[in-house]
Amino acid sequence: GQSLEQPSEVTAVEGAIVQINCTYQTSGFYGLSWYQQHDGGAPTFLSYNGLDGLEETGRFSSFLSRSDSYGYLLLQELQMKDSASYFCAVSSYRDDKIIFGKGTRLHILP
Amino acid sequence: GAVVSQHPSRVICKSGTSVKIECRSLDFQATTMFWYRQFPKQSLMLMATSNEGSKATYEQGVEKDKFLINHASLTLSTLTVTSAHPEDSSFYICSAERTGKQETQYFGPGTRLLVL
Repeated sequence: GQSLEQPSEVTAVEGAIVQINCTYQTSGFYGLSWYQQHDGGAPTFLSYNGLDGLEETGRFSSFLSRSDSYGYLLLQELQMKDSASYFCAVSSYRDDKIIFGKGTRLHILP
Repeated sequence: GAVVSQHPSRVICKSGTSVKIECRSLDFQATTMFWYRQFPKQSLMLMATSNEGSKATYEQGVEKDKFLINHASLTLSTLTVTSAHPEDSSFYICSAERTGKQETQYFGPGTRLLVL
């Protein structure tokens, strides 16, 4: 089966950098995605890693190490609006679906 | 960008009634759509995968006769919660996968269902 582990909560200060880790177990790994979800809203796509390395999109970066079954989301220059839940999600060759982790609640202090 | 709409955004119904939720991809074709349920402060739980022109694939523990899914076109999937009960109250979210891009799903805004 597929499983993902990520911290349930992380707290950081406005303007700082925070890293949210994700480890996964899956057969036929295809890629790791990250989604952001604000309270009461739907998830929005942030980034995708299919190959090892770092993908950068503005203040957000995502990293993948396939050999370690590990990835992380890096948020820089934190803003209060970044307070949300962040989900890592894994997709596999075996089927079309994406399995989500339990989410990391990011609290940002002024 | 890719836009997915969901209707209705919020619905309150009496126990025993059926509720239909629509999910539309507005500016792209989606061979595959997904239906999720999310309880407060929990993760998204995949209920079923909806494929255009074929039967939906349900996740273990999800009753296919209770949660009817129809994917009649490349831009529309519907979820019908039949004989709804209070325990079905939840946030239902659909997502659509752009044909040929498995790695990205675009989510609808969600439907908040409250069964009294």
